[in-house]
Amino acid sequence: GQQLNQSPQSMFIQEGEDVSMNCTSSSIFNTWLWYKQDPGEGPVLLIALYKAGELTSNGRLTAQFGITRKDSFLNISASIPSDVGIYFCAGPDFRDDKIIFGKGTRLHILP
Amino acid sequence: DAGVIQSPRHEVTEMGQEVTLRCKPISGHDYLFWYRQTMMRGLELLIYFNNNVPIDDSGMPEDRFSAKMPNASFSTLKIQPSEPRDSAVYFCASSLPAISDEQFFGPGTRLTVL
Repeated sequence: GQQLNQSPQSMFIQEGEDVSMNCTSSSIFNTWLWYKQDPGEGPVLLIALYKAGELTSNGRLTAQFGITRKDSFLNISASIPSDVGIYFCAGPDFRDDKIIFGKGTRLHILP
Repeated sequence: DAGVIQSPRHEVTEMGQEVTLRCKPISGHDYLFWYRQTMMRGLELLIYFNNNVPIDDSGMPEDRFSAKMPNASFSTLKIQPSEPRDSAVYFCASSLPAISDEQFFGPGTRLTVL
């Protein structure tokens, strides 16, 4: 089946730095979803992308739907302590009619 | 709205015991999903229901796992007998009727099998 590969697996940054992470697939996706999981909680949807080339912002977060439809990027500007968590990309696998998730990027912020 | 409710939040049991995890989805949501999260394997879809009917259970690891949804407001995931390798966080999520609609996750049940 389709797989989503996220990189990096984990990041250690200083507060105030910008963050960039990505998600790639060997097959085409028609929708890209970015979720964030706070420690001890379930994932929450941050941004949804529906069109190739689409660039969408949600506060300090910006996500892009890659032109090839095989990748997506999430950027966080001026990171703050509450940005700590796991960021998942996800998308619907229409062959199997379900959403698949990447393994996540763990973001750590150094004091 | 209270969101997706899961119980218990934590469960510690001994190998061989039966474990039952419970979920109440958001009212009006047609889809219900059960996931398992571990460090090694990430977030895995175990099974999902549409209008209380199981649609895809290909993610259920083996016959020791079973899930039911007797009505629109309640679902259970049962493990019998439990094994140490079942230790993980189990999430329930629900969504409106489009596969790409936002999934709303519960807080999870952290299961430890000794």
